[in-house]
Amino acid sequence: AQRVTQPEKLLSVFKGAPVELKCNYSYSGSPELFWYVQYSRQRLQLLLRHISRESIKGFTADLNKGETSFHLKKPFAQEEDSAMYYCALGREKLTFGTGTRLTIIP
Amino acid sequence: DVKVTQSSRYLVKRTGEKVFLECVQDMDHENMFWYRQDPGLGLRLIYFSYDVKMKEKGDIPEGYSVSREKKERFSLILESASTNQTSMYLCASSSPGQGSYEQYFGPGTRLTVT
Repeated sequence: AQRVTQPEKLLSVFKGAPVELKCNYSYSGSPELFWYVQYSRQRLQLLLRHISRESIKGFTADLNKGETSFHLKKPFAQEEDSAMYYCALGREKLTFGTGTRLTIIP
Repeated sequence: DVKVTQSSRYLVKRTGEKVFLECVQDMDHENMFWYRQDPGLGLRLIYFSYDVKMKEKGDIPEGYSVSREKKERFSLILESASTNQTSMYLCASSSPGQGSYEQYFGPGTRLTVT
């Protein structure tokens, strides 16, 4: 069975400091991995996906198959990054992690 | 721009009532999904549909049913609402046939069962 683990429910980071949100997964096969974000009073939306290997809003995530991880990183946190972040795994059906609430401290 | 709409933002129902949550998408997506979102539990899939009149159970289908009579509309039905179904319900759609597994979400319906 596929599983996504986000070990941190809450994460507080000072503005300008680096951010890393952890995501580990278990999946038999070649996974597709995603990060979704939900800002306050907004709908859940895709932030980035591993196959596109792009940087969105300064965030990047690298798939590490050896460690079965897909951590989300940003070198310098901004206040507008405060949000709920979900890691997700799958193709037609997605399995979501339990989410990490990121708070950026001014 | 994909638009997924849900019929209500807030809903208050009594225990035992039959509840209908409606979701409509306007981008001709094949797949539609219903999740519930609870603090500490993340998003859990209730049901999904990959075509009109086709449905599959997700991880937590008990106490729920769904209906998809038209491609753009996917309804979630709580046959007899209970207090443990108080939650935020999210609808989503996707179109793997258009080359993407990205799911597009509605704004959510916060259901309270008293």
